[in-house]
Amino acid sequence: RKEVEQDPGPFNVPEGATVAFNCTYSNSASQSFFWYRQDCRKEPKLLMSVYSSGNEDGRFTAQLNRASQYISLLIRDSKLSDSATYLCVVTDYNQGGKLIFGQGTELSVKP
Amino acid sequence: DAGITQSPRHKVTETGTPVTLRCHQTENHRYMYWYRQDPGHGLRLIHYSYGVKDTDKGEVSDGYSVSRSKTEDFLLTLESATSSQTSVYFCAISEWTEGNTEAFFGQGTRLTVV
Repeated sequence: RKEVEQDPGPFNVPEGATVAFNCTYSNSASQSFFWYRQDCRKEPKLLMSVYSSGNEDGRFTAQLNRASQYISLLIRDSKLSDSATYLCVVTDYNQGGKLIFGQGTELSVKP
Repeated sequence: DAGITQSPRHKVTETGTPVTLRCHQTENHRYMYWYRQDPGHGLRLIHYSYGVKDTDKGEVSDGYSVSRSKTEDFLLTLESATSSQTSVYFCAISEWTEGNTEAFFGQGTRLTVV
């Protein structure tokens, strides 16, 4: 079993749609959680950190459920520019800060 | 943008030859990572470092070695390149302090083994 697993893609949605991605992790000792965005095989860039209380940044909302060991990302009012691959990232300080990525979920927003 | 550079950016090499990729940072971050990215697999961790001379294996470390003799440089060596190591390689850095845990990535190295 992979340490971090994501919904398989691609997700094809129309502009204005709401789309949700889920990610599960196997290490219950994990402490930090993130969503990264990657465009066309360029380097990944941080989209947002994920906190237990949940956090929102404009159209993006991230949630963490420690009991069930999953994190989610909700994108509201999708834009064409949201088309990208979204990567779930989990880390464990007790393992030397090792960052583990999910395989990524591709999102394509259509006009 | 964080000061992290990878070299070379592109390389074509022959099967059986050794190859070294370099990751250089100017941020003085403690943690450095090497990943490879292949279609359908996302980013897979090869090796990582949590300080000078402190390294550990990731999930796909076979055929790779690393060295970190100073904070700013993390070298990835393919001891005898194989076609299965054709991939895009990303280096990342991070510093785990309160409220600042973002990892920054280099622009990637596209390696082709023929």
